Amino acid sequence: LAKTTQPISMDSYEGQEVNITCSHNNIATNDYITWYQQFPSQGPRFIIQGYKTKVTNEVASLFIPADRKSSTLSLPRVSLSDTAVYYCLVGEADRGSTLGRLYFGRGTQLTVWP
Amino acid sequence: DSGVTQTPKHLITATGQRVTLRCSPRSGDLSVYWYQQSLDQGLQFLIQYYNGEERAKGNILERFSAQQFPDLHSELNLSSLELGDSALYFCASSPLAGGNEQFFGPGTRLTVL
Repeated sequence: LAKTTQPISMDSYEGQEVNITCSHNNIATNDYITWYQQFPSQGPRFIIQGYKTKVTNEVASLFIPADRKSSTLSLPRVSLSDTAVYYCLVGEADRGSTLGRLYFGRGTQLTVWP
Repeated sequence: DSGVTQTPKHLITATGQRVTLRCSPRSGDLSVYWYQQSLDQGLQFLIQYYNGEERAKGNILERFSAQQFPDLHSELNLSSLELGDSALYFCASSPLAGGNEQFFGPGTRLTVL
């Protein structure tokens, strides 16, 4: 799986938009980009997944440039409850054939202040 | 609530002992994954089972073993416990063998004294 690099920590204030960027220079053609969120002492939770351009759901948006060597998770108008660790993962999403192991890096600790 | 259940929630034991962690996947999910999360190592993939068979192995020690039963629940057995085995152990499940969307349980916190 492609290695990812993301900031160790970020700070924001309530109501602001937060953008967390992840670098994955060695991403393969079949790789998808997936983001997870983890609160202290809880299991990670799937947030969003994309292959190229932009993906949006009720929680976040994922921006992927044409070269796919990086991606940006965008959290609109964060609140205190968005304080968590955010993980960027890159790997095949072909459910029919790939192995399901996920490789989590250290993630980005996002702290939202009042 | 992800639909994945894990028991027990907390476990305190002594070095050299053996423990069993249990996981029930979401209804209908055929794959079960085990992860270990410690402060120094982060979240590490241990092993995956799909429909009762071992599918993939990660950084799982020989002292650890797992299995998935016909009803699809899974157990992770940890033996000859060491202080360094103290960690959060997560189980996750997914409908099929692959894919990047997994549903994690609440975890079992193991403390080895």
